Amino acid sequence: DGGITQSPKYLFRKEGQNVTLSCEQNLNHDAMYWYRQDPGQGLRLIYYSQIVNDFQKGDIAEGYSVSREKKESFPLTVTSAQKNPTAFYLCASSIDSDRDRGLLSNQPQHFGDGTRLSIL
Amino acid sequence: GESVGLHLPTLSVQEGDNSIINCAYSNSASDYFIWYKQESGKGPQFIIDIRSNMDKRQGQRVTVLLNKTVKHLSLQIAATQPGDSAVYFCAENIGPNDYKLSFGAGTTVTVRA
Repeated sequence: DGGITQSPKYLFRKEGQNVTLSCEQNLNHDAMYWYRQDPGQGLRLIYYSQIVNDFQKGDIAEGYSVSREKKESFPLTVTSAQKNPTAFYLCASSIDSDRDRGLLSNQPQHFGDGTRLSIL
Repeated sequence: GESVGLHLPTLSVQEGDNSIINCAYSNSASDYFIWYKQESGKGPQFIIDIRSNMDKRQGQRVTVLLNKTVKHLSLQIAATQPGDSAVYFCAENIGPNDYKLSFGAGTTVTVRA
């Protein structure tokens, strides 16, 4: 089945430690996104990538880093500079340019089931 | 800044009744809107979308209405079932070459048996 896989489901970080969250998709989507969700709140955009080897900061990029070396993968690193990392992290993807070539229309983002990050 | 917001943070509905979830947006340039459903501990699940050249779109048991005059979006769920209990988010996008979505804070829907 096509979909988005996030791992691990739960992650614990020690003080001063960097941790990396995995996101893989087999939907042939060009664009991928990382969001942070805090309790009782909506989603806030951390980073996004519209194409391989390119990515842009979202609204809350400080303390995070990403890479996009492959179309299928968009890992997120939560660095020690992020002082309040406890949250639910969601990865999403959208836009299949091969299927939608020539169509300048938006498509919905499809989400993984998240990684819950906590501080030890 | 401009944002997407919801009128009510919680909604309690009797099983079998219809639910209406509202969303206000302030960005007049937005031309694409999506409703998502999020169950506890899971990622948001796509329900239905609508483009700004439409004012109504129907899916299975769901209808989205868009009123661009007052910048208002609503999701109607017919014959609400216990499995509809979740948090519902609206999201907006401002243009075809901008893939970013802006999300509202969400409405928690609880279905009473």
